[in-house]
Amino acid sequence: GNSVTQMEGPVTLSEEAFLTINCTYTATGYPSLFWYVQYPGEGLQLLLKATKADDKGSNKGFEATYRKETTSFHLEKGSVQVSDSAVYFCALSGSGGYQKVTFGIGTKLQVIP
Amino acid sequence: EAQVTQNPRYLITVTGKKLTVTCSQNMNHEYMSWYRQDPGLGLRQIYYSMNVEVTDKGDVPEGYKVSRKEKRNFPLILESPSPNQTSLYFCASSWDKTGVGNSPLHFGNGTRLTVT
Repeated sequence: GNSVTQMEGPVTLSEEAFLTINCTYTATGYPSLFWYVQYPGEGLQLLLKATKADDKGSNKGFEATYRKETTSFHLEKGSVQVSDSAVYFCALSGSGGYQKVTFGIGTKLQVIP
Repeated sequence: EAQVTQNPRYLITVTGKKLTVTCSQNMNHEYMSWYRQDPGLGLRQIYYSMNVEVTDKGDVPEGYKVSRKEKRNFPLILESPSPNQTSLYFCASSWDKTGVGNSPLHFGNGTRLTVT
């Protein structure tokens, strides 16, 4: 079945540092890939997505590129802010017919001033 | 404002006492789903519904029931809660019922359930 692997963290960075959160996946066919973000006390919300190989999703300064050859979708941001402190979930949805969204375990990011 | 509303936000109960967590969405979405979030396990799907009167099991359906009598509401029912159902629960909806990867899931703010 489909699966998503990411580190749980926490990842602690100083403000303005560079962020990378790794995500690798296992799936058949051509899945769509997502990053969701969960701020404290809230539900998840979509941060960005990519639907085919080599696509780059971007939003709010975050980027991730769909790499089929390495089955990866790593999240990056050039300069994090305290307000980026949250839990980040990598997710995928398979192709063809009804396909549920499979989530990773979530990576907690703490940004300190 | 487009939203998914869950109630209650916090619930403490005892083993065996039936409870219902409500979920309502105002976006006319056909697809709705329930997840539980546990440390080290991420989000796991409990049940989902692709339309009124159409529900199906997710990955961890044991001990839960759902109903979808109208499009906007999708309550989660625990007939006899047990301590292993202590968790953070999320309801979500999406307009794309056949390929939920093609449209984002909209989540409620969660219900933290403690069963003693």
